[in-house]
Amino acid sequence: AAGVIQSPRHLIKEKRETATLKCYPIPRHDTVYWYQQGPGQDPQFLISFYEKMQSDKGSIPDRFSAQQFSDYHSELNMSSLELGDSALYFCASSPIAGGTETQYFGPGTRLLVL
Amino acid sequence: DAKTTQPPSMDCAEGRAANLPCNHSTISGNEYVYWYRQIHSQGPQYIIHGLKNNETNEMASLIITEDRKSSTLILPHATLRDTAVYYCIVRVRQGGSEKLVFGKGTKLTVNP
Repeated sequence: AAGVIQSPRHLIKEKRETATLKCYPIPRHDTVYWYQQGPGQDPQFLISFYEKMQSDKGSIPDRFSAQQFSDYHSELNMSSLELGDSALYFCASSPIAGGTETQYFGPGTRLLVL
Repeated sequence: DAKTTQPPSMDCAEGRAANLPCNHSTISGNEYVYWYRQIHSQGPQYIIHGLKNNETNEMASLIITEDRKSSTLILPHATLRDTAVYYCIVRVRQGGSEKLVFGKGTKLTVNP
C-alpha cells in the first residue's frame, strides 16, 4: 500500500539558511499534519491543513510557514534556521472525508543545522 | 498537555504477551483512545484505536475499562521487532483535523 512520502530524507543546512521540506500524502488523503521531534523528545504538533486551508496551528515558530497545494502535497518552509531547529520532521496524512481520521506518518526528514 | 499517563519503561520476553497500561482519567465522552508506536527514529506507526468497546486487529488488542479511565494495549506474542516507544493518545474525532498530542510514552524492550 502507498505510504506518505517525505523529501528529502536528510538535510544539512547552516545557521540563517532556509530549508523546504516536502510531504506527499497517501492518495485520497485530504489532510496533512506536520510534527517536529527534537533529540530525545516526543513528537510535537506544528501545523495542519485540510483541503488546502490551514486547520490548526501548534507551537510553530514565526520563521516557519507551510502550505498545502492543489494536489494535496504540502511544503514546510523554514527560514533563518537556528541550531535548535535540528530535529526530525514528520508529516502525517489522514482521510477526513472517509471518516476514519487515523493519521499515517511518513518516514521523516532529518534536519541538521550547523 | 498530554492527557494520558504511561509507565516510562517495560520489559517483555520474546513470545510472551506484552500488556501496556495507560491511564486517561479525564477522558471526555467524545474522545477516542489511540495507540501509536515509534521504532527508533522512524515515523510513528498507527496500531489501534477505540472508544469504549474492546478492539482487536492484526497487530494488537485494546482493552478499555468500563469507566473509560484506563486502557491496556496487548501485543499477544511480542517479537524483538516490537521493541519501540508506545504512545497512548486521547483524541476527539469529530470530522475535523484533530492533532495528536504525544506524551512520554512507554519504552517497551522485548528481550530474547
